[in-house]
Amino acid sequence: QSALTQPASVSGSPGQSITISCTGTSSDVGSYNLVSWFQHHPGKAPKLIIYEVSKRPSGVSDRFSGSKSGDAASLTISGLQADDEADYYCCSYAGPMTLVFGGGTKLTVL
Amino acid sequence: QVQLQQWGAGLLKPSETLSLKCAVNGGSFSGDYWTWIRQPPGKGLEWIGVIHHSGSTNYNPSLKSRVAISLDASNNQFSLELSSVTAADTAIYYCAKGLYKLLLWGQGTVVTV
Repeated sequence: QSALTQPASVSGSPGQSITISCTGTSSDVGSYNLVSWFQHHPGKAPKLIIYEVSKRPSGVSDRFSGSKSGDAASLTISGLQADDEADYYCCSYAGPMTLVFGGGTKLTVL
Repeated sequence: QVQLQQWGAGLLKPSETLSLKCAVNGGSFSGDYWTWIRQPPGKGLEWIGVIHHSGSTNYNPSLKSRVAISLDASNNQFSLELSSVTAADTAIYYCAKGLYKLLLWGQGTVVTV
């Protein structure tokens, strides 16, 4: 069970859009439409922003969107805001009662 | 509104057993999965394991020999035990509701070995 691969960091200016990639394998991302994304501000609990590849929990801004193709998933944040600056983690179901996380991506809003 | 409240010892010595509990306030276990996750300093999130309300469990293979998750339905609590801890187990530990849709999280417990 290896961690999913994410870029260590991405950056963008306010108002711009950014995309964070998440690469897995045919045993996790490629096999299940059960990819989640979490936003994590230091000192707080992670917040679920996308589940089942592209669904948003109630209350999450539609500026956050998710997609998947093959063994890779991605998170797009449009109309970047200062408060979007955080760490972002992808997570995939990987078989019976098993989860695997990505290494995390630090988003800097310039 | 369901909330998760977690607690446990925050300072351990090497070889001791980490023990954390998570209370489900305002809800019950019925039909749900309950998960433990940790974040070592400067590192990413790591899935530790999960328990179903039926008692079925599964663990991260890297921790499987040392970890146990259990639940106490009568008190609406579930627990994490990690034996033979080392400095590598220093982390913020979180409990969460769900298997892959982790919508509800505890506040986190800092554990230092």
